[in-house]
Formats: sequence, C-alpha cells, structure tokens
Amino acid sequence: NAGVTQTPKFQVLKTGQSMTLQCAQDMNHEYMSWYRQDPGMGLRLIHYSVGAGITDQGEVPNGYNVSRSTTEDFPLRLLSAAPSQTSVYFCASKTGGRTGELFFGEGSRLTVL
Amino acid sequence: KQEVTQIPAALSVPEGENLVLNCSFTDSAIYNLQWFRQDPGKGLTSLLLIQSSQREQTSGRLNASLDKSSGRSTLYIAASQPGDSATYLCAVFEDSNYQLIWGAGTKLIIKP
Repeated sequence: NAGVTQTPKFQVLKTGQSMTLQCAQDMNHEYMSWYRQDPGMGLRLIHYSVGAGITDQGEVPNGYNVSRSTTEDFPLRLLSAAPSQTSVYFCASKTGGRTGELFFGEGSRLTVL
Repeated sequence: KQEVTQIPAALSVPEGENLVLNCSFTDSAIYNLQWFRQDPGKGLTSLLLIQSSQREQTSGRLNASLDKSSGRSTLYIAASQPGDSATYLCAVFEDSNYQLIWGAGTKLIIKP
C-alpha cells in the first residue's frame, strides 16, 4: 500500500528558482492538503483541495500555487523560491466530508539558499 | 477562534509506566479529533481518530478519550516502551474553515 507519496524527499534551491513538489495518493481520497512544518511554528496549512478542480488557500498560501487536475495528484509549486520557504513540507489526504482520517506523506525537506 | 493546547510540552518516564497525554480545545463544535505521532525527521503517523459522537477509541496499548463538553481529549499509553518515544500531536477538525487545528505536541521520551 503506497498511501501518500511525496517527491522529492530532499531539495536544495537557489533564491528565485522555481520547483514543484509532487504528491500522489492511491486511496481515492477527495481531500488533499499541503502543510509546512517549521521549528517552533508547528504545522501550518498552505493549500488544500476538496476534490478535482477545486483548491483553496490555507493559513500561509503566499508564494505557493497548487492545482488539482486529478483525484490522485496535488502538486505544490514554488514560483520564485525565497529563503523563508526553507522548511519541511508534508502532503496529507483523507476521504471527503468531515469525518475522515488524515494520512500524511513522509515529507519533503526543502532548503533555499 | 479554536485553540488546541497540549500539556505537557515534554515528558520523560521510565519504561513500563502507564502515561497520559492531554489535549484541550476551546470550541466544542468539532467533527473529530485525531492523534498522531511523529518520529524525528519523519512524517506524521495517524494513531487514533475519534468522531465527535464517540467517547473513546482503542488500538493496542493506546486508548484515546474525548469529552467534548469539557473540551478535552486524553491519549493513554499502557506499559510504555522505548519505541514509544516520539512527539505526539492532536488535531481537531472543525467545520468553519474545513481545516484541522493543531496542538503544538508533547515530546515523549521513554527511558530504558
């Protein structure tokens, strides 16, 4: 069972570069989300999606774009990376509605120089 | 605004002890509460999910309870083992903005 798969696990960028963090789930979950985790800040929601073609902003959306063209995939794009975006990024998914259990990927550690 | 608090922030106990981790929330209008563990450098692993209509959930040596009226949940770990050492987080799911509200976590160390 693959669950939630994130790639890459590690990435180093220079300021101003762009990149995409990939997230895929094989559980047919409607809800997918991206979090960042920073020391002392806990988990903060970046963007989320309640189904294909639907996305919405979370707590810290600035500097990030998302799209949801399929149920399985929810990529996170950094258009112009900044050192403040150095963090560990987690993708998570769950069944639709309010009652589902949230499952996380193993994380992507991003460093922006 | 919903706030989730976990006390203590850190806990160190000898192996074999039973222990309780606490999670409190300020608004009882939640759909569910979920407990996770996170090992250093790893992702979050779901431990237990309690729906708002439930009082408790059990999985192996873990038991989570939920008291919505008092805004509290506890995670009981029986016969603790060094492998239980991790950070434990709770999160509540509320309807107002379709988001989980997270506690800051309790870092648990089980001493052999």
